[in-house]
Amino acid sequence: AQSVTQPDIHITVSEGASLELRCNYSYGATPYLFWYVQSPGQGLQLLLKYFSGDTLVQGIKGFEAEFKRSQSSFNLRKPSVHWSDAAEYFCAVASLFGNEKLTFGTGTRLTIIP
Amino acid sequence: KAGVTQTPRYLIKTRGQQVTLSCSPISGHRSVSWYQQTPGQGLQFLFEYFSETQRNKGNFPGRFSGRQFSNSRSEMNVSTLELGDSALYLCASSSGGDPSYGYTFGSGTRLTVV
Repeated sequence: AQSVTQPDIHITVSEGASLELRCNYSYGATPYLFWYVQSPGQGLQLLLKYFSGDTLVQGIKGFEAEFKRSQSSFNLRKPSVHWSDAAEYFCAVASLFGNEKLTFGTGTRLTIIP
Repeated sequence: KAGVTQTPRYLIKTRGQQVTLSCSPISGHRSVSWYQQTPGQGLQFLFEYFSETQRNKGNFPGRFSGRQFSNSRSEMNVSTLELGDSALYLCASSSGGDPSYGYTFGSGTRLTVV
């Protein structure tokens, strides 16, 4: 069964600092990988996705993520965070065959300090 | 184009009652998935409908059910509500053919059971 691990429950960074959120997945074949962001009381907004091709993908709001098959990772990065980036971030995996559903990690809450 | 619309945004129900939530997907999308989000269990897949047929179901009791109409709008119903059903219920819209198209989420319905 597919699974996603986000090892960091909570991360605090200073505004203007760089950010990396970790995501590890477990899936037998090439997965479809997603990063979503959720502001309090809101739904999920897609930041970026990967399913094939260039392993470095660019998303919205200046985010990027790199797929590393050898490490089963899909880490999210941003070179300089803004106070508005404070939110919860979810990594998710989907499969092409069988269940078309998203399996989510437990999320990483990002706090930005001035 | 219009996004995913979930109604109502907030609901308060009493234990033992039943509730119906609605989700209108993006125009042209034929797949609607439902997720339950709680602080303890995170985001969990409930079920997915495609062209009025339930294709996949998560590990939830039979009190949770859903349906999809010919215009792709979907409803989910929870009968005999329990306190533990308090959650944010999110629906996701997709074209339904391939996860690479991605999933667009609504803002959710916040259900509180008292």
